[in-house]
Amino acid sequence: QVTLKESGPVLVKPTETLTLTCTVSGFSLRDSGLGVNWIRQPPGKALEWLAHIFSNGEKSYSTSLKSRLTISKDNSKSQVVLSMTNVDPVDTATYYCARIRGDYRSDFWGQGTLVTVSS
Amino acid sequence: DIQMTQSPSSVSASVGDRVTITCRASEGISRWLAWYQQKPGKAPNLLIYAASSLQSGVPSRFSGSGSGTDFTLTISSLQPEDFATYYCQQTNSFPLTFGPGTKVDIK
Repeated sequence: QVTLKESGPVLVKPTETLTLTCTVSGFSLRDSGLGVNWIRQPPGKALEWLAHIFSNGEKSYSTSLKSRLTISKDNSKSQVVLSMTNVDPVDTATYYCARIRGDYRSDFWGQGTLVTVSS
Repeated sequence: DIQMTQSPSSVSASVGDRVTITCRASEGISRWLAWYQQKPGKAPNLLIYAASSLQSGVPSRFSGSGSGTDFTLTISSLQPEDFATYYCQQTNSFPLTFGPGTKVDIK
């Protein structure tokens, strides 16, 4: 079955770089028409889309966070990595990765990982 | 970016009620809209894609409609497990964007 699992630090200091990893199983990052995207949710707030990467390498980013985000993938490890530079306490959120299909729906989600930005 | 709005922001309803949630896009998105359900402490769950297509495994009491800029999610007969927050997301173009959510709680 399809599963995704986020991993990364629980606590990050302001101005540091946050690196999150999504490890997938049940599908391949090489599968045509499939990809992974990242979404976050600050405590008590709405979902915010961050970035995506497809099997062909196509990627895009949130307009407001574009300068701070980098998404990449390692097909052999079945991992997608999201990096966010210069974090701030407002970046405190649960970060989710989800499989994205060619019609851009997110059909399988990871459980999420809570990241707190604090000194 | 395409902005998404939802109404109402919250609704109180009883088991068995018919509930309708509206989502509006700031520009036309054809039928490229998805609906997600999220329960507290859990990841979102895809309910509807392409405005009206039911995701596999989702109960038929959920339905979606609309095109262009205006969309609706309808729960025909609310069940206890349906109390949750519902989000729309435009899937027309990147960057993808979500609505602010509609919380359905117990009356």
